[in-house]
Amino acid sequence: DIVMTQTPVSSSVTLGQPASISCRSSQSLEHSDGNTYLSWLQQRPGQPPRLLIYEISKRFSGVPDRFSGSGAGTDFTLTITRVEAEDVGLYYCMQNTHFPHTFGQGTKVEIK
Amino acid sequence: QVLLVQAGPALQKPGASVRVSCRASGYTFTSYGISWVRQAPGQGLEWLGWISTYSGNTNLGQKFRDRLTMTTDTSTATVYMDLRGLTSDDTALYYCARDAVRGTYAGYWGQGTLVTVSS
Repeated sequence: DIVMTQTPVSSSVTLGQPASISCRSSQSLEHSDGNTYLSWLQQRPGQPPRLLIYEISKRFSGVPDRFSGSGAGTDFTLTITRVEAEDVGLYYCMQNTHFPHTFGQGTKVEIK
Repeated sequence: QVLLVQAGPALQKPGASVRVSCRASGYTFTSYGISWVRQAPGQGLEWLGWISTYSGNTNLGQKFRDRLTMTTDTSTATVYMDLRGLTSDDTALYYCARDAVRGTYAGYWGQGTLVTVSS
């Protein structure tokens, strides 16, 4: 199985400041079709997860443009350009390229 | 809009089985597959498997393969997850999630079903 490793485990951010989360996979996530199926999900307290970013950098429907994704191969980053109070929660990377799909262990974002 | 409605909480004894349902609406049911993901209390997300609502084909996590079944009922646009041989380690919130776009899974999520395994 592909192991997804996120850093940091938690991040305390001042409102309006940027935040970034890294995710590394144990092997390349590039699919044979040429796409890389790396997603980022947000889970607010008491809520189900929500898809933010797919295929490394594509924002899902309704996701604010302060969220962006980047990376390639085995190293990926989620960036929040200006953190807002509603961004508090857990963030997970997920690889969809290979079965079984696997998640990072999660990164907790809180406001300083 | 896309809606996935899951059944209410379940309390089961060790060794028993549980069926969790996920009823879809707001889109063409057979056009998108459904994943099942669980989250134990205070823990991260764990992928269980995926089912094609078009063909009924499944891809199940190796860890669960001998006691997990996923089925689909196109007449009611409902997907079922059956987990047998429950232990306390299976206590978790179980989520269904619809494919987002081609190649990307888990785009739209149900609200989750809490399954508690306790004697």
